[in-house]
Amino acid sequence: NAGVTQTPKFRVLKTGQSMTLLCAQDMNHEYMYWYRQDPGMGLRLIHYSVGEGTTAKGEVPDGYNVSRLKKQNFLLGLESAAPSQTSVYFCASSLPRDTYEQYFGPGTRLTVT
Amino acid sequence: KNEVEQSPQNLTAQEGEFITINCSYSVGISALHWLQQHPGGGIVSLFMLSSGKKKHGRLIATINIQEKHSSLHITASHPRDSAVYICAVKSLSGSARQLTFGSGTQLTVLP
Repeated sequence: NAGVTQTPKFRVLKTGQSMTLLCAQDMNHEYMYWYRQDPGMGLRLIHYSVGEGTTAKGEVPDGYNVSRLKKQNFLLGLESAAPSQTSVYFCASSLPRDTYEQYFGPGTRLTVT
Repeated sequence: KNEVEQSPQNLTAQEGEFITINCSYSVGISALHWLQQHPGGGIVSLFMLSSGKKKHGRLIATINIQEKHSSLHITASHPRDSAVYICAVKSLSGSARQLTFGSGTQLTVLP
């Protein structure tokens, strides 16, 4: 099992460009999450999904969109990147209980210039 | 807003020392997680606690629900334990599915 994978690992964007980050999991997990991690701050939830075809906003959703067309994939889109979106992005998945552990992907380091 | 505070922010220890990392939170929770972030960036879950104590190898995690406090202990520390340790809580109220994370404790174990 690969667990949770993320594509790409690194990316540099110019302000105003768009991109999509792909998260894939092979553990048949119902729940999937996108977080961002910034220096000196804890991980913050951007969006999450509790099942195929469903998404919901987290703590910091502005400037991002998501889709979960297949159970195993969770896409995070930036339509018009801004320097404030420079961050490390982590995807995670878990079984359908709030107290179950989350399995994290390796992260995507995004720089917006 | 639930806040999760970790202490210390940075910790340097000599190999073999007993290490304690603390986590305090401000509201009722259903679960507390301890995670480890490796120098390369990967994050793994160490423990999930809702009460009492759990042990895995040299790692011990405890939680005191009444005092809203948890500790992560590492016995006989080793340089390979060097990592960022993160505490996260699932609040009883607020947004469903949302964990609130502390900012982490950077641990360095010197040989």
